[in-house]
Amino acid sequence: QQQVKQSPQSLIVQKGGISIINCAYENTAFDYFPWYQQFPGKGPALLIAIRPDVSEKKEGRFTISFNKSAKQFSLHIMDSQPGDSATYFCAASTYNDMRFGAGTRLTVKP
Amino acid sequence: KAGVTQTPRYLIKTRGQQVTLSCSPISGHRSVSWYQQTPGQGLQFLFEYFSETQRNKGNFPGRFSGRQFSNSRSEMNVSTLELGDSALYLCASSLAGLGSYEQFFGPGTRLTVL
Repeated sequence: QQQVKQSPQSLIVQKGGISIINCAYENTAFDYFPWYQQFPGKGPALLIAIRPDVSEKKEGRFTISFNKSAKQFSLHIMDSQPGDSATYFCAASTYNDMRFGAGTRLTVKP
Repeated sequence: KAGVTQTPRYLIKTRGQQVTLSCSPISGHRSVSWYQQTPGQGLQFLFEYFSETQRNKGNFPGRFSGRQFSNSRSEMNVSTLELGDSALYLCASSLAGLGSYEQFFGPGTRLTVL
């Protein structure tokens, strides 16, 4: 059962553009929503995370928007750079479970 | 501060064999979680150990097991390997568990089952 749906599967953006990745979850028990960035040959690394009592969180060029009623959240990467080219995973967790989206392969063209 | 280390980085086994993977968490972290990453199924939670006890478990068969030692180091064992067990196995450590605690991932062990 896929509890976290992520789209798009792949994304190509020009340098300086905005990258947007969307996720939707089913289980309302989830109370923590992190985004991970993974480069080839490396493990995922936490990028930014949000709790459901907040509608938006910004850290540098990265912003999470959260819509609790729609059970959706998204990652926005402003001023995308070639170094941002990686696979991005959204996740949803509770104290006893962690579910990931299928991942989005982002390519930022120079 | 040293990161999460996993050994070995690469493994090749044949069907029916068993394998043990090792994970050393960040110093001071008491929780270790294991994940399987495949192109088809993505990242899936296997189990979490805290203070030498399995606290949470994902939806994997009993062939997948693990343990945690008093120094928080963890091992994962897969018995009677199947072709479908070929995957990148990641471990992550955190201060106190899942939920809102940041998970720090290791580089993974790439397991190939022939």
